Amino acid sequence: GQQLNQSPQSMFIQEGEDVSMNCTSSSIFNTWLWYKQDPGEGPVLLIALYKAGELTSNGRLTAQFGITRKDSFLNISASIPSDVGIYFCAGQLGYNFNKFYFGSGTKLNVKP
Amino acid sequence: GAGVSQSPSNKVTEKGKDVELRCDPISGHTALYWYRQRLGQGLEFLIYFQGNSAPDKSGLPSDRFSAERTGESVSTLTIQRTQQEDSAVYLCASSLGSQSGELFFGEGSRLTVL
Repeated sequence: GQQLNQSPQSMFIQEGEDVSMNCTSSSIFNTWLWYKQDPGEGPVLLIALYKAGELTSNGRLTAQFGITRKDSFLNISASIPSDVGIYFCAGQLGYNFNKFYFGSGTKLNVKP
Repeated sequence: GAGVSQSPSNKVTEKGKDVELRCDPISGHTALYWYRQRLGQGLEFLIYFQGNSAPDKSGLPSDRFSAERTGESVSTLTIQRTQQEDSAVYLCASSLGSQSGELFFGEGSRLTVL
């Protein structure tokens, strides 16, 4: 299957710091999504990106769809303890939304 | 309900037994997906249903795995002759299908095969 390389694998930061994580692929994707998963829960959609170069914000979160369509990043500004969780990127090939490929996740730890 | 509902939330079974997992998607969502998530891993695509089209079964890992969906409603994922490597969280998601690429996930069914 398609490989999405997500980095970093884990992060330990201090409350108030900014965070950046990214996903890259050798394939061109038409959609990039960013999800957060809390323990024991299903992933929850944070940001959806549909156009190359698109920069979208959701509160303290900002994500961009790379111009090459092979990468995306997610930034979290002024982190707070409730930001703790696992963040997944997901990319979609084609236009039928029939299959999304997920990265292996970035585990974020925030120290108060 | 308002969200994707999955049952059971937890299932412990013995190796060799069959299990059935259920997913109730969001009303009006024509697309339904099953993913598998092993401990500490990302999500692995299993199968996709879109309306009355033939499902995309390309992610099913073996013929012990099968899934059905009745129209645009409930789906069941069946694992026959379970093996220990089948232990994982099985996540179901639904979306508006061709109108949207946004997946809404249930809380998952945690399967433990002893």
